[in-house]
Amino acid sequence: DTGVSQNPRHKITKRGQNVTFRCDPISEHNRLYWYRQTLGQGPEFLTYFQNEAQLEKSRLLSDRFSAERPKGSFSTLEIQRTEQGDSAMYLCASSVYFHEQYFGPGTRLTVT
Amino acid sequence: DAKTTQPNSMESNEEEPVHLPCNHSTISGTDYIHWYRQLPSQGPEYVIHGLTSNVNNRMASLAIAEDRKSSTLILHRATLRDAAVYYCILRDDAGKSTFGDGTTLTVKP
Repeated sequence: DTGVSQNPRHKITKRGQNVTFRCDPISEHNRLYWYRQTLGQGPEFLTYFQNEAQLEKSRLLSDRFSAERPKGSFSTLEIQRTEQGDSAMYLCASSVYFHEQYFGPGTRLTVT
Repeated sequence: DAKTTQPNSMESNEEEPVHLPCNHSTISGTDYIHWYRQLPSQGPEYVIHGLTSNVNNRMASLAIAEDRKSSTLILHRATLRDAAVYYCILRDDAGKSTFGDGTTLTVKP
């Protein structure tokens, strides 16, 4: 297993456009987490799934953000009508229940 | 969410031990203490975790205070590759983690 993968690694978009990121977790991991990280700060929790069920969403996750994990495998995070404040690194992690999380390399979003 | 407090930065000399402290005075009985580290332009990497007892693995040791209100990550011999931001976090039994801003460790040759 090659670990958690995220695509794309970098995304530049214009304000107002929609973007979608993909995360492929470690295959036997039933939990998948999304975080956002801005420069100089620690990762901020956004949401997490257990299998296909989205169990918790942070208040940071405005109605422009939506995440899915169909069939409990890969996950997508979509941001609609992007704003400059959405510029950040978006990190995905997976785990077996509440055990240690394994992070992907992240997707860096730049909104111009 | 339970919070942790860490120094903003620490320095160490190469091949010397490093003790990275973390305070978590509001920890609950079911919270696990986890440590991750993050190298530049990479996602965080799991280092070690514990509940009550001290723990050792190939990367580091974790010393947990008897009252569990603080812990210390110990790198026995720092190398240049250990230079990173180290995060001490608490994970509840739902698995949710709250990261702080971590400690930036600088290792001098």
